[in-house]
Amino acid sequence: EVRMVESGGGLVRPGGSLRLSCTASGFTFSSHSIHWVRQAPGRGLEWVSSISGSSKYVFYADSLKGRFTISRDNAKEEVYLQMNSLTTDDTAVYFCARRSQALDVWGQGTTVTVSS
Amino acid sequence: DIQLTQSPSTLSASVGDRVTITCRASQSIDDWLAWYQQQPGKAPKLLIYKASILESGVPSRFSGSGSGTDFTLTISSLQPDDLGTYYCQQFNTYSSFGQGTKLEIK
Repeated sequence: EVRMVESGGGLVRPGGSLRLSCTASGFTFSSHSIHWVRQAPGRGLEWVSSISGSSKYVFYADSLKGRFTISRDNAKEEVYLQMNSLTTDDTAVYFCARRSQALDVWGQGTTVTVSS
Repeated sequence: DIQLTQSPSTLSASVGDRVTITCRASQSIDDWLAWYQQQPGKAPKLLIYKASILESGVPSRFSGSGSGTDFTLTISSLQPDDLGTYYCQQFNTYSSFGQGTKLEIK
């Protein structure tokens, strides 16, 4: 079964950091780019970042202003999202998704809450 | 940044109706557009990719069209399970989503 599972969410203070993980299974992991997408409470989907299969190409939403870093470990079949200088605007459910022609396999999401 | 603008923002329709949602890009994205359905409390589900190609397992009542800057998602005969919010996403330059169209069943 093809699966994506996010972990690492939780409650963090403003200005703090958090690292999310996305664990994949059931497909050739290194052949696919992986994307992070977030959804603030009651809001729409916001594309966050992506990383190619070889890690050669990484992209970020301009709004993140260099605070987030995406990486992957193909041996572990994991992708990571390091999030620094968090603000209340970063409160959201964070999804990881596999890209084939589009984002065809999604995880269930992990919740990040930034609050004092 | 490429901006995607969906219309309408909300839509109420009856079972059996033909429903159309549009997505307009701020610059040409060729056919690098996908459509998703998101039901409450769930992850998005891919419906259409490359503007008009139906994802495997998606009912044939869903169809997509367009290229360049103007795109359309059509549901030919609305079913009760089609309620949810629909999003377009572009892959031409990095990526971005439209703001969503909430579809309600009358």
